Amino acid sequence: EIVLTQSPATLSLSPGERATLSCRASQSVSSYLAWYQQKPGQAPRLLIYDASNRATGIPARFSGSGSGTDFTLTISSLEPEDFAVYYCQQRNTWPLTFGGGTEVEI
Amino acid sequence: QVQLVESGGGVVQPGGSLRLSCSASGFTFSDYGMHWVRQASGKGLEWVAFIRYDGNNQYYADSVKGRFTISRDNSKNTLYLQMDTMRAEDTAVYYCAKAIMTAHFQYWGQGTLVTVSS
Repeated sequence: EIVLTQSPATLSLSPGERATLSCRASQSVSSYLAWYQQKPGQAPRLLIYDASNRATGIPARFSGSGSGTDFTLTISSLEPEDFAVYYCQQRNTWPLTFGGGTEVEI
Repeated sequence: QVQLVESGGGVVQPGGSLRLSCSASGFTFSDYGMHWVRQASGKGLEWVAFIRYDGNNQYYADSVKGRFTISRDNSKNTLYLQMDTMRAEDTAVYYCAKAIMTAHFQYWGQGTLVTVSS
């Protein structure tokens, strides 16, 4: 199965700062990578699919890039509601797999 | 708006069975593939199973293959997960999710907690 490694595990930032999250795949997933945000006690929410496509209703401060094995989620200017855990997920190969998550904390 | 509501969670003994349901509304259920994803307490997300829009194809994680069965009733807009021969490591919140691009998760339910314990 494809292993997704997210870094860093924790990102400590302040509101207004730029966040850069990384996801590296153990083999190429082409552009078939998504990003999700999860807050405590809530279900995950889709942010980005197929590497760079924002999901419905997602603010423009969230952007995704990358292809092959290296991907990045960028939050251009952190809002208070953006502090959460972020997961990447590949759909290139079954079984579908998730990364271990990056916590963005204040 | 899209709504997914899971039910059927609870406490079950090791080796026991449980069936989860996911009631869908706000979209044409029979047009979309559906997934189950789980999350153990304090842990990350684990994909469990997928079923195609017409029910004719299913995929499973190795950890549940042969023990869990995903199915759907398009006439009732409902997704199911039959869980047999359950183990302690199956303890988790189980989410159903509507597919986008087949295998990303566009919308999620609120989850239902399954606990496997004697």
